[in-house]
Amino acid sequence: DIQMTQSPSSLSASVGDRVTITCRASQSISSYLNWYQQKPGKAPKLLICAASSLQSGVPSRFSGSGSGTDFTLTISSLQPEDFATYYCQQSHSIPRTFGQGTKLEIK
Amino acid sequence: EVQLVESGGGLVQPGGSLRLSCAASGFTFSGYEMNWVRQAPGKGLEWVSYINSDGSTIYYADSVKGRFTISRDNAKNSLYLQMNSLRAEDTAVYYCARDDRTTMAIPNFDYWGQGTLVTVSS
Repeated sequence: DIQMTQSPSSLSASVGDRVTITCRASQSISSYLNWYQQKPGKAPKLLICAASSLQSGVPSRFSGSGSGTDFTLTISSLQPEDFATYYCQQSHSIPRTFGQGTKLEIK
Repeated sequence: EVQLVESGGGLVQPGGSLRLSCAASGFTFSGYEMNWVRQAPGKGLEWVSYINSDGSTIYYADSVKGRFTISRDNAKNSLYLQMNSLRAEDTAVYYCARDDRTTMAIPNFDYWGQGTLVTVSS
């Protein structure tokens, strides 16, 4: 199975900050990497697919990059509604494993 | 508007069974692969099972293999998860999620239901 490791596990930041979350795969997954946002009590929401393709309706302050084993999710200027938990997921092979999540909290 | 609505969760004793349903609307259900994903209380996301559009290809996580069965009824626009021999560690919110491959043919879960809670406890 491909293991997905996110860092950090939690992060405190302020509105307006630039934030980067990293995700590392245990083996190469090309661009088979998706990012989801989840708010408490809600279902996850797809933000970015194929490593860097922004889902329709997602603000442009979100961006994704990377290929192979190392990926990043960047939020260029944090907004109050961005405080949530973020998960990466590989879709290269079964099982479709998720990272453990990064909880983004208000400083 | 795409909608996925899960039902069938509840409290069940260890060793018991439960059948979850996911009713789909707003898209051509028979044209999409589907998944079940679960989330234990306070924990992260865990992929559980996958089924292709006509039900001929199915995969399971090792943690549920031999105990859970995924199926679908395209005529009823519905996805199912039959869960047998339930254990305390199966306690979680269960989500159905649509599998999309529009972007570069790379799979992603573009729509999710609101989830249904399964609690396994005596």
